Amino acid sequence: AQKVTQAQTEISVVEKEDVTLDCVYETRDTTYYLFWYKQPPSGELVFLIRRNSFDEQNEISGRYSWNFQKSTSSFNFTITASQVVDSAVYFCALSEMVGGKLTFGKGITLSVRP
Amino acid sequence: EAEVAQSPRYKITEKSQAVAFWCDPISGHATLYWYRQILGQGPELLVQFQDESVVDDSQLPKDRFSAERLKGVDSTLKIQPAELGDSAMYLCASSLTVQNSYEQYFGPGTRLTVT
Repeated sequence: AQKVTQAQTEISVVEKEDVTLDCVYETRDTTYYLFWYKQPPSGELVFLIRRNSFDEQNEISGRYSWNFQKSTSSFNFTITASQVVDSAVYFCALSEMVGGKLTFGKGITLSVRP
Repeated sequence: EAEVAQSPRYKITEKSQAVAFWCDPISGHATLYWYRQILGQGPELLVQFQDESVVDDSQLPKDRFSAERLKGVDSTLKIQPAELGDSAMYLCASSLTVQNSYEQYFGPGTRLTVT
């Protein structure tokens, strides 16, 4: 069975600090798909990034970057130069097939103080 | 920018009453999902449709919940009768589900309170 663990529950940083959100996953499949979503106070889940298990290249997209380590089953997400608008709950999610259900972690509440 | 539409945004109902939620996915998205999110938790899948067919409803409490997507476009999720434990956010998502575009896009959700 697939499982996602987000051990951090709440993180508070001051604006312009970098912050890394941790995610550890479990799956028996050799091909799987990982995602990060953001849920601001308005409640809507916003897609941020996805990564395929067969592509371990780490990338940067604007202020976002991610570190996918298959050896440790981790998919960590970093926000560089955080802003107050980044304050939200961040969810890591796993799917074992294209278009399959997402299994979410419990989320990390990020507070960015001015 | 295309969005997933949901209504109502908020619903308060008494236990044992019936309640229904509506979702209109992004145009052209064949896959539609209903998730339930309890406060402080991540969303959990209730039911998944591919066009008008149910793909996965293993976590749907079928004694009280039903879902349909008759024409393969919009969808309705119903609860009858509602119980106190059904209080949650109900999220609809849709996906194009092709090899290079399979992320799920979520609607604003319906926050249900059962009293």
